[in-house]
Amino acid sequence: EAQVTQNPRYLITVTGKKLTVTCSQNMNHEYMSWYRQDPGLGLRQIYYSMNVEVTDKGDVPEGYKVSRKEKRNFPLILESPSPNQTSLYFCASSYADTQYFGPGTRLTVL
Amino acid sequence: AQSVAQPEDQVNVAEGNPLTVKCTYSVSGNPYLFWYVQYPNRGLQFLLKYITGDNLVKGSYGFEAEFNKSQTSFHLKKPSALVSDSALYFCAVRDKDNYGQNFVFGPGTRLSVLP
Repeated sequence: EAQVTQNPRYLITVTGKKLTVTCSQNMNHEYMSWYRQDPGLGLRQIYYSMNVEVTDKGDVPEGYKVSRKEKRNFPLILESPSPNQTSLYFCASSYADTQYFGPGTRLTVL
Repeated sequence: AQSVAQPEDQVNVAEGNPLTVKCTYSVSGNPYLFWYVQYPNRGLQFLLKYITGDNLVKGSYGFEAEFNKSQTSFHLKKPSALVSDSALYFCAVRDKDNYGQNFVFGPGTRLSVLP
């Protein structure tokens, strides 16, 4: 089944404790992206990647890192999480401008 | 810079009636426009897109949208709403001339279809 998977689905952590949210797609898509969803703000793009080793900032990249060492994986790294990064995070991969979203990761930073 | 506005936070419609969810956009170049739907506790699902050609675009689940360049709008429509259409709807835009493929989403409109 063609899909985008994210892990973990839920995470509660404390300020400053480094974490990684994994994202993997099995559709061989070149383009992948991370978004955060906050009430009243819709989805805001954090980072995107057009191919292996090619990444670029979206609209809200501060406090986040990404890497794209393989085509299928696009992890999101929070080196020192803060409470304002509490949000719902979505990974997506894209083909022909159609994005396929993962199920989401709900992150709470205390 | 690109932007998307969805002027209504909430749209209520009776089952069987036509529905419209509004979207206006701003891009410096030519737009690629999209509608996505989000059901509770789920990721976003693609409904339809306008890339080029016919201004009326048909998509999944009986939805359609009309691209209006002069009004910079891309309203989502359905002739007869179902209770199962109740969800959160997002409009999105990408600048066709922006090789970086930065997608911008609107804030979302919650559609409630009442039985």
